[in-house]
Amino acid sequence: NAGVMQNPRHLVRRRGQEARLRCSPMKGHSHVYWYRQLPEEGLKFMVYLQKENIIDESGMPKERFSAEFPKEGPSILRIQQVVRGDSAAYFCASSAEGTRNYGYTFGSGTRLTVV
Amino acid sequence: AQSVTQLDSHVSVSEGTPVLLRCNYSSSYSPSLFWYVQHPNKGLQLLLKYTSAATLVKGINGFEAEFKKSETSFHLTKPSAHMSDAAEYFCVVSPIGTASKLTFGTGTRLQVTL
Repeated sequence: NAGVMQNPRHLVRRRGQEARLRCSPMKGHSHVYWYRQLPEEGLKFMVYLQKENIIDESGMPKERFSAEFPKEGPSILRIQQVVRGDSAAYFCASSAEGTRNYGYTFGSGTRLTVV
Repeated sequence: AQSVTQLDSHVSVSEGTPVLLRCNYSSSYSPSLFWYVQHPNKGLQLLLKYTSAATLVKGINGFEAEFKKSETSFHLTKPSAHMSDAAEYFCVVSPIGTASKLTFGTGTRLQVTL
């Protein structure tokens, strides 16, 4: 079991470009969660998805950010027209069940740097 | 609503001495509580979790935590620190029984000195 796989590990984008972050959940997990960690801060929830559905996007900025988890393939977090303030570590977690919180398995993160 | 307060942003201990990382929580619901550890430029690893079973929870690497409802606390302890314990530690809360997000504390950086 390869665990939660995120790629790329590091991503550098110029201001105004698009960033696409990928997350493949653990085998058998159908729930995916995205978190953002700004420098020297804790993790902030962004969005919770199941296959083909967004369950909770209360932590997502209203503009430029979107997420999907298609029937086939990884979950994608997409940031359009990136700005310097988007520079952060983005973590993905997955779980087998969304209705009881027995913990999540986190990926190693994607570190986005906007220059 | 739920929140977590980690009372110390930095803790420094000598190798071989006890570790205490403090966490207080607030939750409108019966909480699940977790401690995660993050080593530099790494992902998060679950140390232990409380989900309404035994109040004293044992985790990996010799860590344990005690859920105290009267004090709304979930402090993390270890009898004897090791150099490899140096990392960032996050206390996390989530309501039991609902599909929802985890709420993280701001973290405590543990430094272990010789």
